[in-house]
Amino acid sequence: NAGVTQTPKFQVLKTGQSMTLQCAQDMNHEYMSWYRQDPGMGLRLIHYSVGAGITDQGEVPNGYNVSRSTTEDFPLRLLSAAPSQTSVYFCASSLTGTSSYEQYFGPGTRLTVT
Amino acid sequence: TQLLEQSPQFLSIQEGENLTVYCNSSSVFSSLQWYRQEPGEGPVLLVTVVTGGEVKKLKRLTFQFGDARKDSSLHITAAQPGDTGLYLCAGADYGNNRLAFGKGNQVVVIP
Repeated sequence: NAGVTQTPKFQVLKTGQSMTLQCAQDMNHEYMSWYRQDPGMGLRLIHYSVGAGITDQGEVPNGYNVSRSTTEDFPLRLLSAAPSQTSVYFCASSLTGTSSYEQYFGPGTRLTVT
Repeated sequence: TQLLEQSPQFLSIQEGENLTVYCNSSSVFSSLQWYRQEPGEGPVLLVTVVTGGEVKKLKRLTFQFGDARKDSSLHITAAQPGDTGLYLCAGADYGNNRLAFGKGNQVVVIP
């Protein structure tokens, strides 16, 4: 199993550009989520999904869109990049229905918006 | 938003010393997890504690969940350079499909 994979590893965008961060998992996990990690802020939840066709907002959803058409994939779209979106983005997955929601993280995408 | 406060934020110790870091909240959690993150990588789960008062050991690491299920501690015995990393605690809420993360304890073990 590859676990959780993310592409790209690094990305530089100009203000106003759009892009999609890819996330895939091969563990047949129902629950997937996106976090951003900023210095001194910890991990903050952007969006999450409890299964194909179902998504919901997390703590910091503004400026981001998600969709979940398959169990395996959960892409994160930046609609119009802003410098405030410079961050490291992590995708994670876990089994739904467990009380502990243990999460398996991808390696991250480091995004810089200039 | 449930807040998890981790202390100390940064800790530097010599190899062989013991250390304890803390994760505290005013909220009750159904379970609490500890992750370790190394530079340039995603967090990796170390342990999940579920029962109030529970103690779990993972080699030289001892994790404790508070009786009231609001706090947790991580104790490392005879720390080694390989223990260096960012330790993150995360609380799971009853019936809520979310984890709340603390900001982390940065631990540096000097050889």
